[in-house]
Amino acid sequence: GAGVSQSPSNKVTEKGKDVELRCDPISGHTALYWYRQSLGQGLEFLIYFQGNSAPDKSGLPSDRFSAERTGGSVSTLTIQRTQQEDSAVYLCASSGGAGRSTDTQYFGPGTRLTVL
Amino acid sequence: AQSVTQPDIHITVSEGASLELRCNYSYGATPYLFWYVQSPGQGLQLLLKYFSGDTLVQGIKGFEAEFKRSQSSFNLRKPSVHWSDAAEYFCAVGSTGFQKLVFGTGTRLLVSP
Repeated sequence: GAGVSQSPSNKVTEKGKDVELRCDPISGHTALYWYRQSLGQGLEFLIYFQGNSAPDKSGLPSDRFSAERTGGSVSTLTIQRTQQEDSAVYLCASSGGAGRSTDTQYFGPGTRLTVL
Repeated sequence: AQSVTQPDIHITVSEGASLELRCNYSYGATPYLFWYVQSPGQGLQLLLKYFSGDTLVQGIKGFEAEFKRSQSSFNLRKPSVHWSDAAEYFCAVGSTGFQKLVFGTGTRLLVSP
């Protein structure tokens, strides 16, 4: 595709429910990143994929958060038993290199998650 | 650990005036530095990046930034601001061996007529 796409664009859920957020990276990009943008907190790294494997999961805040990537393309971020503090914008980015720090990361528009 | 500080939460600039957004980083080795812009409802767009070489970096939309190692700074500048520049600006740092970016908390730019 022309850019990184994410779905849904908005998600409202009740506390305790599970949610899945989807990211479609730019075609051919091998590296994929998830970040979380909370109000007044900037962007917080969650997880990095190179192909289908995740060499860096250090940013996942708890074991309620998990992510997978299939076929070296689409990624899904799953949040189980959502809590109100999970409310944020979840951003996905992809880059075309081998995850080098110098590769430009291209961001999607994000999914705004609201937990009631 | 890497960190980025953007000391200004909001800045208001008159259209046509010059702009400087501050960014300070903390990292022991040579950092890779980035400025991104986020317009309302949009994803982040890369304005410019610095890895090495000339410390004055030119970016898109008429922006530039200067890397000053002695001050651990990477301030973003634009000589004449346009109303369309109103957005939130994020400074970020990366480094060799770390694929993730560490972002500052952002500066929201308001442009007055």
